Amino acid sequence: GNSVTQMEGPVTLSEEAFLTINCTYTATGYPSLFWYVQYPGEGLQLLLKATKADDKGSNKGFEATYRKETTSFHLEKGSVQVSDSAVYFCAIAGGTSYGKLTFGQGTILTVHP
Amino acid sequence: EPEVTQTPSHQVTQMGQEVILRCVPISNHLYFYWYRQILGQKVEFLVSFYNNEISEKSEIFDDQFSVERPDGSNFTLKIRSTKLEDSAMYFCASSEARGLAGEQFFGPGTRLTVL
Repeated sequence: GNSVTQMEGPVTLSEEAFLTINCTYTATGYPSLFWYVQYPGEGLQLLLKATKADDKGSNKGFEATYRKETTSFHLEKGSVQVSDSAVYFCAIAGGTSYGKLTFGQGTILTVHP
Repeated sequence: EPEVTQTPSHQVTQMGQEVILRCVPISNHLYFYWYRQILGQKVEFLVSFYNNEISEKSEIFDDQFSVERPDGSNFTLKIRSTKLEDSAMYFCASSEARGLAGEQFFGPGTRLTVL
């Protein structure tokens, strides 16, 4: 079945620092890749997605590129803000599992002023 | 903006008791899901539901679990006889379309504590 390995946290950064959260996956076929974000007290929200190799998903200054050769989908942001403090989840869908999402363990990001 | 809602936000129960977790999906969505997250662990898929029947379920979703859409707006998860290891955050999600085309919208979760 599908699986996702996500960078261990927590990650603590100063405002305007560069962010990378690593994510690698295993799957059969051609999965779609997602990053979800969970702000305190809220549900998971889709941050960005990519559905085929070399696609770049982007939203709110965050980017991630679907790298089939390295089976990776690393999340990056050039300059983080305090409001980016949240838990970030990498997820995949597809391959042998058509509708369900398979998540990584989540990475807690804290950004200090 | 439409959203998925879940009640209660926190449920405390005694081991062996039945619990029902409730979700109201987004009104025009047709596909419904339950996930759970045990503290410190990954978010895990439990079950997907479409057209009043289960589409897919994980090995976690054993005979103690059941889902229902009783009235066209609610989507419930019932745990028949809770165990200590059922303590987790339970997330409901819904999507308009199935599979890769259907973005899943998540509720804020219900924290279940089994004593």
